[in-house]
Amino acid sequence: KNEVEQSPQNLTAQEGEFITINCSYSVGISALHWLQQHPGGGIVSLFMLSSGKKKHGRLIATINIQEKHSSLHITASHPRDSAVYICAVGPNRDDKIIFGKGTRLHILP
Amino acid sequence: SQTIHQWPATLVQPVGSPLSLECTVEGTSNPNLYWYRQAAGRGLQLLFYSVGIGQISSEVPQNLSASRPQDRQFILSSKKLLLSDSGFYLCAWSVVVTQYFGPGTRLTVL
Repeated sequence: KNEVEQSPQNLTAQEGEFITINCSYSVGISALHWLQQHPGGGIVSLFMLSSGKKKHGRLIATINIQEKHSSLHITASHPRDSAVYICAVGPNRDDKIIFGKGTRLHILP
Repeated sequence: SQTIHQWPATLVQPVGSPLSLECTVEGTSNPNLYWYRQAAGRGLQLLFYSVGIGQISSEVPQNLSASRPQDRQFILSSKKLLLSDSGFYLCAWSVVVTQYFGPGTRLTVL
């Protein structure tokens, strides 16, 4: 079992839909990151969470430490939101950042 | 199979000293190479990326520089470290889209 699991792997939705991407982890964490990667581009950090909820524009990230689960929500999705979204946890005590495999999101106009 | 190496794994340096972190990739040719940093309490930040030998793009102005002297070698440097340079540095490579990350270097500047 991977230490960081994301679901779904792929998601296609219509413009305007509310999007949820989930991340579950099995290790102790200092922080959880949500990252975004556009095709051919570098990875950019969207959120870093250690508890609670954060909001930035149309993006919302939540984390439940007890359940070891985080969600990334996109409200009023737009084709420019199409990207790969990656959940990552750490650095942990071994100084490792553990990455999920990513969720490929495609928003249709 | 492809492998990415970073060294050193940990480094403690005084303020004002120089820095050289090295990243090498095995098993692939002409990869895109990236340097990221995670500073304490902050998310991952893309510092530099390179699409080929001698081609470096900087994402943010800072005290650091990068070089790519060989196809599969990417070096992160500084002439004079600042306290704010402390953090966890990750090298990554990609050929198409998916990026693969190295083990990271923990840099502490005192």
